[in-house]
Amino acid sequence: AQSVTQPDIHITVSEGASLELRCNYSYGATPYLFWYVQSPGQGLQLLLKYFSGDTLVQGIKGFEAEFKRSQSSFNLRKPSVHWSDAAEYFCALNSGGSNYKLTFGKGTLLTVNP
Amino acid sequence: DVKVTQSSRYLVKRTGEKVFLECVQDMDHENMFWYRQDPGLGLRLIYFSYDVKMKEKGDIPEGYSVSREKKERFSLILESASTNQTSMYLCASSSQGARQYFGPGTRLTVT
Repeated sequence: AQSVTQPDIHITVSEGASLELRCNYSYGATPYLFWYVQSPGQGLQLLLKYFSGDTLVQGIKGFEAEFKRSQSSFNLRKPSVHWSDAAEYFCALNSGGSNYKLTFGKGTLLTVNP
Repeated sequence: DVKVTQSSRYLVKRTGEKVFLECVQDMDHENMFWYRQDPGLGLRLIYFSYDVKMKEKGDIPEGYSVSREKKERFSLILESASTNQTSMYLCASSSQGARQYFGPGTRLTVT
């Protein structure tokens, strides 16, 4: 069975500091991987996705993620965090089946201190 | 622009009531999904549909049913609402490529 683990439930960073959110997955082949962000009271917005090819993926709002097959990881990074980045972040996996179901991690809540 | 809308942002219902949550997408997507989101548990898939009148159970279908009579509309039904169904409900749709587009969510409180 496939699974996604986000080891950090809550992370606090100062504005302007760098950020890395961890995501580990379990799946027998190379999955499709996603990062979504959810601002308070809102739905989920896609930040970036990895299907194949270049393992460093650029997304919106200055985010990037790196797929590392050897570590089964897909960590999200941003070099300088802004106060508006405070939100909950979800990593998700799709096995590529025709129904396109996503398996989500439990999320990481990001707090940004001024 | 892509749009997934949900009929209500906030809903308060009484225990035992029948509850309908509606979701509409304007992108002609084949696949539609219903999730519930609870603190510390992330998003859990309740049901999904890959075509009109087709549905499949997700990870937590107990206490829920769904209806998809038209391609653009996917309804989640709580036959007899219970307090443990108090949650945020998120609808999503997708076509090719696995990316899912999400609605704003409905926060349901069952008292």
